[in-house]
Amino acid sequence: NAGVIQTPRHKVTGKGQEATLWCEPISGHSAVFWYRQTIVQGLEFLTYFRNQAPIDDSGMPKERFSAQMPNQSHSTLKIQSTQPQDSAVYLCASSLERGHTEVFFGKGTRLTVV
Amino acid sequence: GDSVTQTEGLVTLTEGLPVMLNCTYQSTYSPFLFWYVQHLNEAPKLLLKSFTDNKRPEHQGFHATLHKSSSSFHLQKSSAQLSDSALYYCALSDRCNYAQGLTFGLGTRVSVFP
Repeated sequence: NAGVIQTPRHKVTGKGQEATLWCEPISGHSAVFWYRQTIVQGLEFLTYFRNQAPIDDSGMPKERFSAQMPNQSHSTLKIQSTQPQDSAVYLCASSLERGHTEVFFGKGTRLTVV
Repeated sequence: GDSVTQTEGLVTLTEGLPVMLNCTYQSTYSPFLFWYVQHLNEAPKLLLKSFTDNKRPEHQGFHATLHKSSSSFHLQKSSAQLSDSALYYCALSDRCNYAQGLTFGLGTRVSVFP
């Protein structure tokens, strides 16, 4: 079990460019989450999929951010027209079911917008 | 809405001394509480989870007690080790509201020195 795999581990984009982050959840896990991690805000919930269906995107900035889960083995987080304030570590996580079971995190993608 | 408060941003201590990290929460319903630990360049990992029967969870020398009267779930260890240097997050999961993911505090960075 390789755990949750995120690629790339580091990404540098120029202001205004698009960034796509990839996540491969643990096989068999039905819930997939995206979080953003910064020193100031800590771990912020972005969005959640269950059995590939988007369930809750209440944490996603309404403009420029989108997430998809085209199949059970991967999810993507896309940020259009990146801004310096988007610089953060983006963490993907998965779990067997929602709510009270252990959530397993990937190591994250560090996005730097210059 | 749900919230988690960790009052210390940074805790520095000498190896062998006791450590306690504070965590208080607000939740509409009686939640599950968690402690996650993140070592440098690693994924956050579950350290402890509260039990429904109020048993005190323990792992790697750490323990935490859920006090519903004070809405607290402080993390304690009697003797800190160098390897305990990491970022610690307290989190909660609402027992009844499955539409929300884990709500995290801002985190407490622990630095243990020889």
